[in-house]
Amino acid sequence: EVHLTESGGGLVQPGGSRRLSCVASGFTFSNFELNWVRQTPGKGLEWVSNITASGTFAHYADSVKGRFTVSRDNAKNSLYLQMSNLRVEDTAIYYCATGGDCKTGVCHHTTFFRHWGQGTVITVSS
Amino acid sequence: DIQMTQSPSSLSASIGDRVTITCRASQSVDRWLAWYQQKPGKAPKLLIYEASTLESGVPSRFSGSGSGTEFTLTISSLLPDDFATYFCQQYDRFSWTFGPGTRVEIE
Repeated sequence: EVHLTESGGGLVQPGGSRRLSCVASGFTFSNFELNWVRQTPGKGLEWVSNITASGTFAHYADSVKGRFTVSRDNAKNSLYLQMSNLRVEDTAIYYCATGGDCKTGVCHHTTFFRHWGQGTVITVSS
Repeated sequence: DIQMTQSPSSLSASIGDRVTITCRASQSVDRWLAWYQQKPGKAPKLLIYEASTLESGVPSRFSGSGSGTEFTLTISSLLPDDFATYFCQQYDRFSWTFGPGTRVEIE
């Protein structure tokens, strides 16, 4: 059974930094693209970042580009989101979610999010 | 970026009702459209991907259709477990966006 467990949430002051982690189990981690998606009552669900299975390429929403950095450690089955220069509007529940997979050397890009973690809450406030 | 809209934003229905939710994209997304169900305090759950492919384990009363800019999610006969919020999501050239959601409530 697939499990994704996020951690690292908490209260952060505007302009501060925080690193989120997502530990995975139940599947071959290194074969899957991974994503961060966040949710607020006001803005709904918002895709934040995507990273390829090997970690070579990453994509970001315009709202976080230049401030957030996604990375992964396939040896530790772990995904990370380094967030800096945090703003009040970054307050949200942050989910990690699986994306496209690689099978027999053919990789499929993320077009939907199959498995989700339970989320971790980031509150940006002074 | 492609914008997604959903209608209605909420609806009240009874057990056994047929429910249809519409999702529209601001430009064509071919069939790169997924539907999710979310219950309070839980993460979204994938129901349908590529517009009409039912995710493994999802009951067959859920179905999806459409292509291009207009899509529908249909629940053929509403069960108590189906009262939730439903989101659509599109993919286009390294950008993923969600609709605002449709809340399905008990009438």
